[in-house]
Amino acid sequence: RKEVEQDPGPFNVPEGATVAFNCTYSNSASQSFFWYRQDCRKEPKLLMSVYSSGNEDGRFTAQLNRASQYISLLIRDSKLSDSATYLCAVIVNSGNTPLVFGKGTRLSVIA
Amino acid sequence: DVKVTQSSRYLVKRTGEKVFLECVQDMDHENMFWYRQDPGLGLRLIYFSYDVKMKEKGDIPEGYSVSREKKERFSLILESASTNQTSMYLCASSWLGLPGGYFGPGTRLTVT
Repeated sequence: RKEVEQDPGPFNVPEGATVAFNCTYSNSASQSFFWYRQDCRKEPKLLMSVYSSGNEDGRFTAQLNRASQYISLLIRDSKLSDSATYLCAVIVNSGNTPLVFGKGTRLSVIA
Repeated sequence: DVKVTQSSRYLVKRTGEKVFLECVQDMDHENMFWYRQDPGLGLRLIYFSYDVKMKEKGDIPEGYSVSREKKERFSLILESASTNQTSMYLCASSWLGLPGGYFGPGTRLTVT
C-alpha cells in the first residue's frame, strides 16, 4: 500500500458547486498534514495545514480523521480559478522528516 | 514572502553531460529538498538537507548527488545525465521543526 493515496480524478464540477477530496495515509504515526495546490506547469503552493480540530480558510475547509487515516479538503462555491491539481502531503514520522506527497487530484471547474 | 529561486526554468542537455541545478532560498530555512515530478508518478524525493554540509538520501537518489556549502544554497548534480532523468525538478525549503515546504518555480530538464 502506498504511503499517501489520492483519487487522481479528474473531478469536473460546475461553478458554484461544492466538491470534496480525500487523501488516505498508511502510517498511523503520521504527524502533520497539508494540502497544496498546483497549477499546470507551475510549482506546488501551500494551500493550508490540516489540524486535528479542522481548519477553515474562506471557502476551503480541511479536516483530519485519524481513526480512518484520511484527510479531506472541501471547496465550497467553486470558482473557475479553483481549477488545479490538489496535492496532499504528510509528515510520516515525528521529527524533522520530509513531506511525502500524494500524486494529486485534478479539479476542473466548468462555467 | 518566502522566495525560493532556481537557476534555470528550462534546460536541455546531452546524454553524458554533467548537469548542475542550483536552488537558493532567502528565508534562512534550515531544510532544503530536491524533488522530481513526472506524470503519473507524482513528486519523488531525491535528496534533502537539514544543515550546511549535511545531506540525506531520499527515495530515488541514484544518479544524483547534492552539495550544500552555504545555508541558502542547495545544488543538485547529475554526474552523467541520462534520458530517463528528463523531468521537472523542484527545489523546496522549510524551517526546522516547522514542516511544510515552499517550492521554487522548477527546472524542466530535457536530456537528449
